[in-house]
Amino acid sequence: GQNIDQPTEMTATEGAIVQINCTYQTSGFNGLFWYQQHAGEAPTFLSYNVLDGLEEKGRFSSFLSRSKGYSYLLLKELQMKDSASYLCAVRGPLMDTGRRALTFGSGTRLQVQP
Amino acid sequence: GAVVSQHPSWVICKSGTSVKIECRSLDFQATTMFWYRQFPKQSLMLMATSNEGSKATYEQGVEKDKFLINHASLTLSTLTVTSAHPEDSSFYICSARPTGGAYEQYFGPGTRLTVT
Repeated sequence: GQNIDQPTEMTATEGAIVQINCTYQTSGFNGLFWYQQHAGEAPTFLSYNVLDGLEEKGRFSSFLSRSKGYSYLLLKELQMKDSASYLCAVRGPLMDTGRRALTFGSGTRLQVQP
Repeated sequence: GAVVSQHPSWVICKSGTSVKIECRSLDFQATTMFWYRQFPKQSLMLMATSNEGSKATYEQGVEKDKFLINHASLTLSTLTVTSAHPEDSSFYICSARPTGGAYEQYFGPGTRLTVT
């Protein structure tokens, strides 16, 4: 099975930097994803890490440590539109279908304030 | 590219009736599609995985006779909620993985089901 933990809520100020942590326990780890989800909408892909280290993409960066079962999403130069839920998802072992599904964490609701 | 659509975007139905939700990959073929359910302020929960031309694999606790999944073509999967109850009211989201793709999944916009 898989267990994924994220903080429930975070608040940050426009223009600042915020780090959202995610810890996981899983069998058959095959990558970790971060998604952004605005209320009432489907998730949109932000990043994918399968090897240890930092992946940078514009204002967003994601870090992974497989030995520690730990990842974080770093958002820089926060904007009001960044207010959303951020979902950490772990890609698990092969299923009977020959594919791997994602298991999502509960999500972190980020509120960006002026 | 990589657009996934769902229809309808929202639906209201009466208890005991059945509702069909369609998930289409518009500009790519998807051998595998996933169906998720999301209750308010909660994360996505995987319901089932479907492969084109074969039976869906359901997650533990998901009734296969209640949530019928058909993946009849490489661009279309359907989820039918049979004998709907108010507790089935939720946001249903599908995702599709391009055939031959590595890890990417593309999500549909979701369907909000309300059972009265």
